[in-house]
Amino acid sequence: EPEVTQTPSHQVTQMGQEVILRCVPISNHLYFYWYRQILGQKVEFLVSFYNNEISEKSEIFDDQFSVERPDGSNFTLKIRSTKLEDSAMYFCASSESGSYGYTFGSGTRLTVV
Amino acid sequence: QKEVEQNSGPLSVPEGAIASLNCTYSDRVSQSFFWYRQYSGKSPELIMSIYSNGDKEDGRFTAQLNKASQYVSLLIRDSQPSDSATYLCAVNMDFGNEKLTFGTGTRLTIIP
Repeated sequence: EPEVTQTPSHQVTQMGQEVILRCVPISNHLYFYWYRQILGQKVEFLVSFYNNEISEKSEIFDDQFSVERPDGSNFTLKIRSTKLEDSAMYFCASSESGSYGYTFGSGTRLTVV
Repeated sequence: QKEVEQNSGPLSVPEGAIASLNCTYSDRVSQSFFWYRQYSGKSPELIMSIYSNGDKEDGRFTAQLNKASQYVSLLIRDSQPSDSATYLCAVNMDFGNEKLTFGTGTRLTIIP
């Protein structure tokens, strides 16, 4: 069964450092998303990406965050200057169309120290 | 503020019984409704989607939608210990985009 692949599975970084989280969506999917889940809290939308541009972003997705599709397969989330409160699980997801629901990747656990 | 509400549980159900999970949402124009299962430390896994009023069955799972009451539920028949997980209700509340709003999830424990 097709999978969304995320790397790394766990990243520890110092506060103020930049991190890049990587995702390989399912190959025929056109819509890409980043969500995050702080431990014990709900899954929160960060950003959606379609046709090589951001289609929507949440209040969380401020100037410290950016997304890119540098080639035909990868989809990345960059956090420029990490804060302690950025510590969370970050999930990439993709879909053929949002109406069909998403397939989530296995997540990257980001720990900011 | 557009919200999705779920009882956080924990909900304990004996093995073989029916587990009933409920969800309400605030936005009347919501179009698409999903149930995800999340095991501890893992990512959400889509188990059911429903788009129109009524029931939709898939194996041991039945999703029920009542748009007038802004209510969606998930029934799990013949509950198994492997069904023990957190069940997330997710709603596409904004027509024309694909963003999902999630509830906090209901933790379900199946007791052998």
